[in-house]
Amino acid sequence: LAKTTQPISMDSYEGQEVNITCSHNNIATNDYITWYQQFPSQGPRFIIQGYKTKVTNEVASLFIPADRKSSTLSLPRVSLSDTAVYYCLVGGNSGNTPLVFGKGTRLSVIA
Amino acid sequence: GAGVSQTPSNKVTEKGKYVELRCDPISGHTALYWYRQSLGQGPEFLIYFQGTGAADDSGLPNDRFFAVRPEGSVSTLKIQRTERGDSAVYLCASSLTGDRRYEQYFGPGTRLTVT
Repeated sequence: LAKTTQPISMDSYEGQEVNITCSHNNIATNDYITWYQQFPSQGPRFIIQGYKTKVTNEVASLFIPADRKSSTLSLPRVSLSDTAVYYCLVGGNSGNTPLVFGKGTRLSVIA
Repeated sequence: GAGVSQTPSNKVTEKGKYVELRCDPISGHTALYWYRQSLGQGPEFLIYFQGTGAADDSGLPNDRFFAVRPEGSVSTLKIQRTERGDSAVYLCASSLTGDRRYEQYFGPGTRLTVT
């Protein structure tokens, strides 16, 4: 399983763009990169998944460089409601390999 | 549509007792997963069902933990002879298929407290 490293915590002011970078140096060829968001007292919520280059949806963008050894989750113009823990996961969709969550990045958005 | 539901939302039990935690996945999702989460940690995988069968139970910590999914829908996580260390939030998730395991939909969890 590819190990991931991400910052323990980040602070941001409302309205700013937040970029959370995840390192995954031993990512395998068939691995995807997936991000989840977890609010207090709730289960994690799937945000975005990508394989290479850039993926964008209504919530976030995911930037993946050519070597795929890292990825950056970008949250545009954060609000207080974006305060949550963000998890980066790496792995393939096939087979029985379970999801492995690390401790995630605790994002605090300040007014 | 309805999401993943879990009951009860909170369960307090005494050390040594038996507990059952229930999960109702999203209708049509064939894959179901159980995790547990301690304070300040990410969810820890316990078991994965594909249909009625446990495809991977490698995360179950010991033989006091057992889970079933007899009809391929609702699942029950069973813990025998509970210990204080079992206190955690137990999360259930489902995905459309096992091949979509990276897009899982989680329930709100059951907070288990063993006194």
